[in-house]
Formats: sequence, structure tokens, C-alpha cells
Amino acid sequence: EAQVTQNPRYLITVTGKKLTVTCSQNMNHEYMSWYRQDPGLGLRQIYYSMNVEVTDKGDVPEGYKVSRKEKRNFPLILESPSPNQTSLYFCASSFGTGGRVGGEQFFGPGTRLTVL
Amino acid sequence: QQPVQSPQAVILREGEDAVINCSSSKALYSVHWYRQKHGEAPVFLMILLKGGEQKGHEKISASFNEKKQQSSLYLTASQLSYSGTYFCGIVTSGTYKYIFGTGTRLKVLA
Repeated sequence: EAQVTQNPRYLITVTGKKLTVTCSQNMNHEYMSWYRQDPGLGLRQIYYSMNVEVTDKGDVPEGYKVSRKEKRNFPLILESPSPNQTSLYFCASSFGTGGRVGGEQFFGPGTRLTVL
Repeated sequence: QQPVQSPQAVILREGEDAVINCSSSKALYSVHWYRQKHGEAPVFLMILLKGGEQKGHEKISASFNEKKQQSSLYLTASQLSYSGTYFCGIVTSGTYKYIFGTGTRLKVLA
């Protein structure tokens, strides 16, 4: 089954404790992206990756890191989480970039993160 | 800068039509529409490209006015399953970033 998986689905942590949220897709998509969703603000892009070893900042990259060492995986790293990073996080992937018809994004199920 | 969606919320009866608008202050390369049900991930509905190409689902239609940098999503003969929050996402010319609007909450009543 074609899908995007994220782990963990729920996470409660404390300020400053490094964490990684994994994201994996099995559709051989080039483009992968991380979003955070907060009430009233919609989906905001954190980072995106055009392909292996190619990443770039979205609109809200502060406090986050990403890497793309393999085509299928795109982990999100919070080196020193803070309470303002409490949010619902979605990973997404697409065949092409937004400018191509194949730019339809497939979203993972989401990770609800709480930083105390 | 996030695109502006209107209305922010709408309530319909089954069978009624609705239009959701998305407006950007930047030149657009493509516009994407997604629907998200409560507690779930967004699901793709439609993509419209500069130049007129589009891809989407059969019961959903949309328009893209490149000059005005606006898109509209048309929901006809609404069904209960149409309830959810609709987001437009834009890709501006010269970038590969997605920028989503803040959403339109749509509720269809029986």
C-alpha cells in the first residue's frame, strides 16, 4: 500500500530534550516536506527536500533540523525543544515539485508533540 | 505570506452548493486544494497550474485566475461527506515552497 508513515504518533517531552520524528514513504517520491499545524494558522511548511541531500527552509524553520540521506526517509530533528514547538506535525511527499501535475502531496497520519 | 481564504466558515444543507476562494499577494505557479477531516491528515482534491492544466477529482471543480492570483473551489450538490476544513496551498513562481491558507471550515447538515 502506498503510504507515508510517521513515528511516533504521540510524544510528550520536556524542554531541551532532543528528539527525532521519523518519516518514511514507499512511493519513490522526490519531494518531501514537514509541516506544523496550529489552530487558526493552518499548515506551515518547516523544511522541504527536493531530493537526496537537497533540503531547504520553509516558512518556519527556526528550531528544527532535517536530513535526507535516503530517498524514502526525511526525519525531523528538534535539538532543544521548547514549549512553543508544541504542535501537530505532518510529513508529506509528492512525485514532483509543486509546479508539476505530479505535485499532489500525500500526507502522513501526523505526530502530536507536547513540550512541557 | 499566507494566501487568504474566504469564507472562514460555511454551513450548508445537503444538496446545496458552495464556493471557497483563495487569494494570494504573490505571483502563482500553482494552486492546490486539500480537505482535512477532524483528527485526520489532509487529502488532495485538486491542483491547478499556470497555463490551465489541472488534475483533480471528478465531483470537485476549481478555477484559477492567474492575473488576479486567485483560485476558487466549487462544491456542487454537497454531501455530508464534504464536511471538513478546506485548505488552499500555493507554490509561487520561482520557488518550491508550499504556503497554505488558514482554512475554510465547511459543515454540511442533513
